[in-house]
Amino acid sequence: EAGVTQSPTHLIKTRGQQATLRCSPISGHTSVYWYQQALGLGLQFLLWYDEGEERNRGNFPPRFSGRQFPNYSSELNVNALELEDSALYLCASSFLERTFSYNEQFFGPGTRLTVL
Amino acid sequence: AQSVAQPEDQVNVAEGNPLTVKCTYSVSGNPYLFWYVQYPNRGLQFLLKYITGDNLVKGSYGFEAEFNKSQTSFHLKKPSALVSDSALYFCAVRDNTGGFKTIFGAGTRLFVKA
Repeated sequence: EAGVTQSPTHLIKTRGQQATLRCSPISGHTSVYWYQQALGLGLQFLLWYDEGEERNRGNFPPRFSGRQFPNYSSELNVNALELEDSALYLCASSFLERTFSYNEQFFGPGTRLTVL
Repeated sequence: AQSVAQPEDQVNVAEGNPLTVKCTYSVSGNPYLFWYVQYPNRGLQFLLKYITGDNLVKGSYGFEAEFNKSQTSFHLKKPSALVSDSALYFCAVRDNTGGFKTIFGAGTRLFVKA
């Protein structure tokens, strides 16, 4: 069974540019999560998509946005890049999330974004 | 508001000795608790979870964790550490009161010396 895949592996941008990161979940998983792992800051929750809808977002500015496609793959867009956006961005997927769900998440290898 | 604390940035243990990685949590309602491990240059891997039932949960690679409701703790343990256990460990708690957000601790780096 293929795991969660993310592309690209590395991405280098300059301040003010836009970055687009992509994620393909495990087959059968309908929920996709995005996290930011900056050096020394652990994992910070960014966004959760389920069945094509944004269900929740973390404490990040609106220039962090995304979407989930009908095949459940997802895209994270970061506009007006700032130096502090440099981090490892992790995508995770899980089975359908509904009330009282407690499914574990399966993580991809991440995209390392460097903003110069 | 829910939160997770991992009080130790780093834990050092000799190979063959038991290891403990600590985690305490704060959450409204009943907690769903998870441990994940991150090896260098790789994504996180699920180790184990507590949902309900037996307070001692067994997971992958010989790890186990004990849920203690009175102390709001969920410490990760292994009876005999291996050098290959050296990695970054994250405790996480699930918000089951409506947001369904998973909050991760800051992580604890485990070093196992040969």
